[in-house]
Amino acid sequence: KNEVEQSPQNLTAQEGEFITINCSYSVGISALHWLQQHPGGGIVSLFMLSSGKKKHGRLIATINIQEKHSSLHITASHPRDSAVYICAVATGNQFYFGTGTSLTVIP
Amino acid sequence: DTGVSQNPRHKITKRGQNVTFRCDPISEHNRLYWYRQTLGQGPEFLTYFQNEAQLEKSRLLSDRFSAERPKGSFSTLEIQRTEQGDSAMYLCASSPPRGGSGKTQYFGPGTRLLVL
Repeated sequence: KNEVEQSPQNLTAQEGEFITINCSYSVGISALHWLQQHPGGGIVSLFMLSSGKKKHGRLIATINIQEKHSSLHITASHPRDSAVYICAVATGNQFYFGTGTSLTVIP
Repeated sequence: DTGVSQNPRHKITKRGQNVTFRCDPISEHNRLYWYRQTLGQGPEFLTYFQNEAQLEKSRLLSDRFSAERPKGSFSTLEIQRTEQGDSAMYLCASSPPRGGSGKTQYFGPGTRLLVL
């Protein structure tokens, strides 16, 4: 069993839809990261959070430490949001990654 | 460009050959990480440096793999006697010195290795 599980694995949405990607983890963590990976491999860090909620533009990330669960929300989705979204948790000096959620937003 | 850089961006080699990759982190970042990512999977942690000290090494890192960061700046990852299963994207990331291990990481573009 992976330390980090994401769902769904693949997601197709119409432009403008509200999107939710979920992440559950099984280890004790110091922080959780949401990453965005575009075709070609470049990875960008979107959020780092250890409690509560963070918002950046149309992106919102929440975490529930007791339930070991985090969600990434995208409001008013746009085709340029199409990418793989990866959840990663930091524990000690190691990071564990989910397998990613591949999002395609159709115009 | 002051981001994390990796060289080469692509490497094709024959099975059994040795390869070496380089990562140049953001200059003020003292923490450096190596990851491996295969197609359709999330990155897997390989090893972690704080300054020149290698503080963590994954079980995934067999004895054919070695990483160094001799002066606490750039790092190299060497794979000896490459195998086809080593084909993957090798990612480097760095993070600044403040805070605990849960700090924002800045990723390089990766080195894509293909072992024939």
